[in-house]
Amino acid sequence: DQQVKQNSPSLSVQEGRISILNCDYTNSMFDYFLWYKKYPAEGPTFLISISSIKDKNEDGRFTVFLNKSAKHLSLHIVPSQPGDSAVYFCAARRTSGTYKYIFGTGTRLKVLA
Amino acid sequence: DSGVTQTPKHLITATGQRVTLRCSPRSGDLSVYWYQQSLDQGLQFLIQYYNGEERAKGNILERFSAQQFPDLHSELNLSSLELGDSALYFCASSPSGGETQYFGPGTRLLVL
Repeated sequence: DQQVKQNSPSLSVQEGRISILNCDYTNSMFDYFLWYKKYPAEGPTFLISISSIKDKNEDGRFTVFLNKSAKHLSLHIVPSQPGDSAVYFCAARRTSGTYKYIFGTGTRLKVLA
Repeated sequence: DSGVTQTPKHLITATGQRVTLRCSPRSGDLSVYWYQQSLDQGLQFLIQYYNGEERAKGNILERFSAQQFPDLHSELNLSSLELGDSALYFCASSPSGGETQYFGPGTRLLVL
């Protein structure tokens, strides 16, 4: 049972435009969400996070939106740059003492110059 | 560079064999996590250690085991290897638990 889903395996966006990556989750006990970026032959790197008490968190060109009622979060990248081309994973943490993170399957973003 | 190191980078072995993957966390981090990423799959959480003690367990097979040593480095042991165990294995660390995890570059395991 995939509790965190990224239904778009890939996305192509023109340089300078907005990239929107989506993530859906099923477990209402998740209380913390993160986005990671992964380049080939490297480990994932942390990008941005959001707590369930917020509905938006911004860091430079990256903004994460959380819609708890829809169990949906999205990552907006504005403006998109060729260096943003990577695989993006969303992850969610359950409210428990173990801080276990559940990752989605990733979305491959390609920013076209 | 995340500060998390993993060795080896690549490993090719045969079915039925046993291998050990090694991870050194970032300086000062007490928690180590192991993940498996198979082809076209997300990262599957395997196990977490905190300061030498097992803290959380995920989808880790009985053929797999891990430990964290007093110097905080961790090893993931995979035995009776099967073709389906071929995957990228990532180690991550964090200061204690629940915070952002910092990932190593991964070990690519190929079982032939």
